[in-house]
Amino acid sequence: GDSVTQMEGPVTLSEEAFLTINCTYTATGYPSLFWYVQYPGEGLQLLLKATKADDKGSNKGFEATYRKETTSFHLEKGSVQVSDSAVYFCALRGPGNQFYFGTGTSLTVIP
Amino acid sequence: NAGVTQTPKFQVLKTGQSMTLQCAQDMNHEYMSWYRQDPGMGLRLIHYSVGAGITDQGEVPNGYNVSRSTTEDFPLRLLSAAPSQTSVYFCASRTTGGRNTEAFFGQGTRLTVV
Repeated sequence: GDSVTQMEGPVTLSEEAFLTINCTYTATGYPSLFWYVQYPGEGLQLLLKATKADDKGSNKGFEATYRKETTSFHLEKGSVQVSDSAVYFCALRGPGNQFYFGTGTSLTVIP
Repeated sequence: NAGVTQTPKFQVLKTGQSMTLQCAQDMNHEYMSWYRQDPGMGLRLIHYSVGAGITDQGEVPNGYNVSRSTTEDFPLRLLSAAPSQTSVYFCASRTTGGRNTEAFFGQGTRLTVV
């Protein structure tokens, strides 16, 4: 069945460091891929998305490229800020229209 | 611009008690769903609905009931609370069409069963 595997956390980085959170997926057909972010005490918010191979989603300095050949959708940011501290979820929406979420990766950015 | 509204935000129940978690959306979305979030397990789908009068089970439906009498509302009922149901519950809604349509989430209900 469809599933998402993402990098275990927690991740702690210094401000201005480079961030990568790995995400790989298993899916039938051609899923759409998403990154959601959850700030402390809040619900999940869409960060970025991509719907087909080689699409790049981007928002707030974060980027992720839909790689069909490696079934990956890694999240990157060139220079993280303290305000980026949150839990990040990779997700896919499969042909059956269900969403499947990874386990989440907690990021803490220290000044 | 309310989006998805969940109530209550926090709740403590005793084992065996019942309660209803409320979820309402004002975006006229056909699809609504309930997830629970547990450490190390991400979000797991409890129940979902593709429209008023239609509901179906997700990955972890046992101990929960849902109904969908209107497009806007999708309450989740715990019939007899158990400590294993201690979790954070999220309601989400979205349209059913289009590959790139996102899910919108409520702020969550943190439930503790003692």
